[in-house]
Amino acid sequence: GAGVSQSPSNKVTEKGKDVELRCDPISGHTALYWYRQSLGQGLEFLIYFQGNSAPDKSGLPSDRFSAERTGGSVSTLTIQRTQQEDSAVYLCASRLQKNTEAFFGQGTRLTVV
Amino acid sequence: QQQVKQSPQSLIVQKGGISIINCAYENTAFDYFPWYQQFPGKGPALLIAIRPDVSEKKEGRFTISFNKSAKQFSLHIMDSQPGDSATYFCAASGTGANNLFFGTGTRLTVIP
Repeated sequence: GAGVSQSPSNKVTEKGKDVELRCDPISGHTALYWYRQSLGQGLEFLIYFQGNSAPDKSGLPSDRFSAERTGGSVSTLTIQRTQQEDSAVYLCASRLQKNTEAFFGQGTRLTVV
Repeated sequence: QQQVKQSPQSLIVQKGGISIINCAYENTAFDYFPWYQQFPGKGPALLIAIRPDVSEKKEGRFTISFNKSAKQFSLHIMDSQPGDSATYFCAASGTGANNLFFGTGTRLTVIP
């Protein structure tokens, strides 16, 4: 695709349910990032994938959060046993290599009720 | 620990005025400093970026000023327009630091 694609664009889930958020990066981009943006807030780093290296998971807020990247392309962010404080926009970005432009998707707005 | 500190949190400027947003960092391994612009309901998009081998970079009405010794950089928007109303994020990364660290954002409102 021409840009970073995220799905779904909106997700409403009940507290305690698991959710999966998907990110399709730009083809050929080796770096992929997940960020969380709460209403009116900044970009909170969650996790970073670079090629075949072990991901940097230092931003994941709890063990309920996990992410994987299959075949160096598509990534899935999984939130288990969702809580109301997980409600936010989850943004994915990819870039070709270090110190180049990062391209963001439109985000997935997650609402936990 | 906030790797990049950004101020102000919000800014209101009259049309035609100059908008100035400031950022500071500590990690001297950073060598790439982009600014991103985000409109409501959209993902951030790259506005302009600078590397530390220059002290200033200008693209149209947007200028980044970089002070390596002070570990500070700023975004200046000249002749600010209502269409510039958005949230602006500074960021930093380096060849040694794999991540891309963002500031907390500045919500700019340009009043007609």
